[in-house]
Amino acid sequence: DGGITQSPKYLFRKEGQNVTLSCEQNLNHDAMYWYRQDPGQGLRLIYYSQIVNDFQKGDIAEGYSVSREKKESFPLTVTSAQKNPTAFYLCASSIDSNTEAFFGQGTRLTVV
Amino acid sequence: GENVEQHPSTLSVQEGDSAVIKCTYSDSASNYFPWYKQELGKGPQLIIDIRSNVGEKKDQRIAVTLNKTAKHFSLHITETQPEDSAVYFCAAIRDNNDMRFGAGTRLTVKP
Repeated sequence: DGGITQSPKYLFRKEGQNVTLSCEQNLNHDAMYWYRQDPGQGLRLIYYSQIVNDFQKGDIAEGYSVSREKKESFPLTVTSAQKNPTAFYLCASSIDSNTEAFFGQGTRLTVV
Repeated sequence: GENVEQHPSTLSVQEGDSAVIKCTYSDSASNYFPWYKQELGKGPQLIIDIRSNVGEKKDQRIAVTLNKTAKHFSLHITETQPEDSAVYFCAAIRDNNDMRFGAGTRLTVKP
């Protein structure tokens, strides 16, 4: 089955630790995105990548880092510099920005 | 980047009534306008989209209208059902650019 997979579904992190969220797609999509969603809030863009080995900052990139070494993978690292990392993180992919985006099921990160 | 405003933030309707959600955008170069539905604990899913060369598009109970001159577009859901209850997001996108969403509308359909 083709799709986009995020793992893990739930993640707990101690304050001060870095953590990496996985996002993998087998849809052969060039574009991939990371969003943060806080309770009752909209989707805020963290980073996006239009092609392998290239990515751009979104509106709230501070405290996050990404890599795009492979077309299928776009991992997001939440660093200790992110002041309030507890949130629901969504990854998406699309052929390009002008076509339907497919979202993963999300990762709920909790800092304890 | 594109700035998308979405209204209302919450909407409650009686089953069978219609629901309308409106979005405005700032970048006149935007040419793709999708609508996504997000159910609790899940990722959003596309329900309908429209491109700038079309003024209206309909898919069963769902329709989207676009006014490029005024830079606004709307989602219309007719004969609402309880399973329509969800959060709806709009987006306005231009070529080779990122995807920015509106803040979302929480729709509740009361039986």
